[in-house]
Amino acid sequence: SAVISQKPSRDICQRGTSLTIQCQVDSQVTMMFWYRQQPGQSLTLIATANQGSEATYESGFVIDKFPISRPNLTFSTLTVSNMSPEDSSIYLCSSGGDGGAFFGQGTRLTVV
Amino acid sequence: DQQVKQNSPSLSVQEGRISILNCDYTNSMFDYFLWYKKYPAEGPTFLISISSIKDKNEDGRFTVFLNKSAKHLSLHIVPSQPGDSAVYFCAASPGGTSYGKLTFGQGTILTVHP
Repeated sequence: SAVISQKPSRDICQRGTSLTIQCQVDSQVTMMFWYRQQPGQSLTLIATANQGSEATYESGFVIDKFPISRPNLTFSTLTVSNMSPEDSSIYLCSSGGDGGAFFGQGTRLTVV
Repeated sequence: DQQVKQNSPSLSVQEGRISILNCDYTNSMFDYFLWYKKYPAEGPTFLISISSIKDKNEDGRFTVFLNKSAKHLSLHIVPSQPGDSAVYFCAASPGGTSYGKLTFGQGTILTVHP
């Protein structure tokens, strides 16, 4: 199973600012995925990050708000831009492969 | 449109007994189904998965059953332990290169009483 490390683990940010979340996988993976879990809700896929190409966003999520980088096969970043209190959520990255799909520990973001 | 549904928000079970968590889906294109356990301050922990071509998969205390005609799956935990108390999510995947592109259910809070 892949080991996925995220940082920061939590942050409190002012509205209008941006936060970049980093995700590191301990092995090379083709695809990485970014999810959001809003308070009391389930996990929702934000986008799929492929190395060497633009990320693919799900309905309701746009690149201007959630720009993603994927510079190599073990690393990705998600930026939450121009934050509002509604962006307060847990953000998680994951990678999938034979046997399962594995998640980082998440970044708990609070926007004040 | 909720493609993956967990209709029971919570389940309470006595230690040593069986826990049965249920999940329904609507999209016939899903190829794999996965179960996760999640604590509040952590990311989801992968428990077990099943391919759509199988009807059962077992790993230790965890067994997943898939009824493809009914579009229903269930996770059985036997015997249940207090440490199993957590939120359980089922998730569905299209498989292939998009294996990790998951659609999650709403989760079921499992409480196992000593």
